[in-house]
Amino acid sequence: DAGVTQSPTHLIKTRGQQVTLRCSPKSGHDTVSWYQQALGQGPQFIFQYYEEEERQRGNFPDRFSGHQFPNYSSELNVNALLLGDSALYLCASSPAGGTTDTQYFGPGTRLTVL
Amino acid sequence: GNSVTQMEGPVTLSEEAFLTINCTYTATGYPSLFWYVQYPGEGLQLLLKATKADDKGSNKGFEATYRKETTSFHLEKGSVQVSDSAVYFCALRLMNRDDKIIFGKGTRLHILP
Repeated sequence: DAGVTQSPTHLIKTRGQQVTLRCSPKSGHDTVSWYQQALGQGPQFIFQYYEEEERQRGNFPDRFSGHQFPNYSSELNVNALLLGDSALYLCASSPAGGTTDTQYFGPGTRLTVL
Repeated sequence: GNSVTQMEGPVTLSEEAFLTINCTYTATGYPSLFWYVQYPGEGLQLLLKATKADDKGSNKGFEATYRKETTSFHLEKGSVQVSDSAVYFCALRLMNRDDKIIFGKGTRLHILP
């Protein structure tokens, strides 16, 4: 079992560009959550996907959007990048019928905006 | 609002020392409480949890007790090892339909051999 995987590991973009991050959940998991972890801070909840729909959303602007595919994998898209979007982006998955008590986190994608 | 406050790091200890990392929370309702650990280059791992007042979560020698009267969930370990060096996050989840986890800022722990 590969666990939660994320790609790419690192990414460098410039202001105004768009970026797509990818996540494959742990086998048997159908719910995917995304978090932003700025340097020296705790993770902040962005949104959660279940059954290909956004189920919950944190306090992030519409520049942050996502998608979930029929195989439960997910993408996080960020448009019009700002310097402040530089962070570690974490994906977490949880099993069908589970709660966030049983979330498993991936290693993250480190995004640097120049 | 709902929030978690934990002691700032870094915390530096010698091997076999006693560890306490303080955590307090503010929440409407009755949260579940967690400690997560982030080892260098790895993702967040759930270390332990407690779902109601006076519950004690434990794992790998770490313990934390859910104290409703002091709204605290302090992490303790009797004898730390070099391999415990990591960043530790206290977190809460409200026991309602809200499925997100609210994290503290994290405490970096360095254990010296």
